[in-house]
Amino acid sequence: EAGVAQSPRYKIIEKRQSVAFWCNPISGHATLYWYQQILGQGPKLLIQFQNNGVVDDSQLPKDRFSAERLKGVDSTLKIQPAKLEDSAVYLCASSSVIRNEQFFGPGTRLTVL
Amino acid sequence: AQSVTQPDIHITVSEGASLELRCNYSYGATPYLFWYVQSPGQGLQLLLKYFSGDTLVQGIKGFEAEFKRSQSSFNLRKPSVHWSDAAEYFCAVVPTTDSWGKFQFGAGTQVVVTP
Repeated sequence: EAGVAQSPRYKIIEKRQSVAFWCNPISGHATLYWYQQILGQGPKLLIQFQNNGVVDDSQLPKDRFSAERLKGVDSTLKIQPAKLEDSAVYLCASSSVIRNEQFFGPGTRLTVL
Repeated sequence: AQSVTQPDIHITVSEGASLELRCNYSYGATPYLFWYVQSPGQGLQLLLKYFSGDTLVQGIKGFEAEFKRSQSSFNLRKPSVHWSDAAEYFCAVVPTTDSWGKFQFGAGTQVVVTP
C-alpha cells in the first residue's frame, strides 16, 4: 500500500512570497489533515478535511493560509504571503476512520528568509 | 484546559539499557492515546495505541506502553534500546468526546542513544 505522498520535500522562499504544498493521501482515506511542526515542538493541527469538506480549521491563520481538497482526494495548502515565523515542517496525514491511526507523509520543510 | 504533557524534552540512554518516556494528559474523560516516533527527516510512525481494555499495550519495534487511569498517564517503555531507536517520540491524544477526532500532540521527547 502506497503511503501519504507530499511535495516538495524542501522549499526556501523569501518573506512575502507565496508557496504551495501538495498532499496525496492513502487511497480510500476519507480524512486528511495538515499539521505545522515548528522546530522543537509537536505537530499542530492546521486543518482537517472529511472527504472534501472542512471539519476543523480553527487553528488555520486564514489571513494568509488556505487549503482545499477538491474531489475529496489530494489536497493543497497555500501560504500567501509568507512570514518568517512560517518556517516549519508541514505534515500531511490521512486516516480511514476518525479518531483512529493517522498515517503521515514525510513532510515539507519550509524555510522563509 | 485540555492538554498533553511530555515532561522530558531530552533523554540520553546507553545502548542495551531500558527506556521509559512519560506522557500525562488532562482531559475530563480518558481519551484515545497514541505514541508516534519521528526519525530525522521523516514523517511520524505509529508505535502503539490505546482505546480500551488491557492497560498494557504492545507495539512495534519492541515498545510497550501502560495506561494508568489514576495517574492520567500513558508511559512508553522499551526493555533494551538499540542505536536505531534514537529519534523523537510524541505522545498524542484524541478526546473521545470530540466528534471529529482532533489529535493533540505533546511537545516530544528527543532520545539519544550512546554506545
